[in-house]
This record gives sequence, C-alpha cells and structure tokens, in this order.
Amino acid sequence: DAMVIQNPRYQVTQFGKPVTLSCSQTLNHNVMYWYQQKSSQAPKLLFHYYDKDFNNEADTPDNFQSRRPNTSFCFLDIRSPGLGDAAMYLCATSKGHTQETQYFGPGTRLLVL
Amino acid sequence: GDSVTQMEGPVTLSEEAFLTINCTYTATGYPSLFWYVQYPGEGLQLLLKATKADDKGSNKGFEATYRKETTSFHLEKGSVQVSDSAVYFCALILLYNQGGKLIFGQGTELSVKP
Repeated sequence: DAMVIQNPRYQVTQFGKPVTLSCSQTLNHNVMYWYQQKSSQAPKLLFHYYDKDFNNEADTPDNFQSRRPNTSFCFLDIRSPGLGDAAMYLCATSKGHTQETQYFGPGTRLLVL
Repeated sequence: GDSVTQMEGPVTLSEEAFLTINCTYTATGYPSLFWYVQYPGEGLQLLLKATKADDKGSNKGFEATYRKETTSFHLEKGSVQVSDSAVYFCALILLYNQGGKLIFGQGTELSVKP
C-alpha cells in the first residue's frame, strides 16, 4: 500500500542536543509538509517542500530546519531542542497545488529531557 | 484571517447515539473543507472532504455538507460505535502556488461508551 512513513515513532533527546526526524513516502507526491502538534492542540504547519523548493512559515523558529534529498524522503532537524519543542511531529504529503488532500504519517512523538 | 472554530469537547455519547460536531469557518474565497480523525497516539486520517458549496462529503457513515450561507461544515453520524472514539478536526485549506496549508479547528474529543 502507498503510504507515508515516519521514523522513529518515539524519540527522546536531551535539552540542546540536535535531533533529526525522518519521513518517507511511497505516494510519489510532489509536496511534503511538516506539522507540529503540541499536547491537546491542533497541528500547526512549520514548512513544506514543493519538489526541491522550500517554503517556510513566517512564524517557524530558526531552530527548525528541513532537508529533502529526493522525492521520497524529507527530514526535520531541530538544532537545539528546548523543553517547549516536545510535541508530536506530523509529516504529510499531497500530489501538488491542484490536489489539495494531504495524507499524514503516524507521527513522531518527541520528548525533550 | 482564515480560521476554523469547532464545538468544544469532550463529547460523550452512548453507542448508537446520533452525533453532531459543529464546525464553522472564516475564509476569503471558498476553500475546500475537511474532517480529519486522530486516534490516540496516531497521526491524522482523512475522514471526508468537500470542495465547493453544497457538496456533501461522506465516509464510514459520517457526513458533512459544505454550507456557504452559514459558513459551516458540521459532522454527523446517525449511530456511533465505540470504535469511533477519537479526536475529530475540522480544517480548511489555504492554497499556495506550491502546496497548501491546512488550518485546523481546535479538535473535538469524542468518547463513545458501550
């Protein structure tokens, strides 16, 4: 089945220690998104890639970066995690700007100690 | 700016009860509207969508109709099951030149008791 895969499902890191979350997709979609969802809140878009073009949301902290080395993979890098960055991180994909539906992965829950 | 407002939860129902979760939106233009469902510890699953006024989205017994005149997209199900217990998010999409941004409501937690 075509899908969006996120690894790991749970990630523990230490305050200030860089961490990378991974997302891959077998849908061959052009667009890949990263959302942050804090406890009992709605998901909030951090940034997205359309192919290799990176689109950052204006209020995304500089501490968050992303890489997309190829169509299938996208990474979220948190350079210096703070306690406030503990959240569920959701990766999503969509076919393109004319295909609106976004398909989500299972998420990675990040814990910062 | 564009926004989505959902009925507050948690909502607790008995099995086979009728479900309504209210959702209203504010938007420039006529965005597509979505309902996503999130089971505990999981990501979001698309439940249904509607792309224009008067469209009805439906899936797994759930329905929602895009009402332009009331700017609403209420979710309904005639007979809920314990397995429907989850958090439900209403959302609209802002389309960019490259991709789109989902704007979510705050989510409504549904708990169905046997």
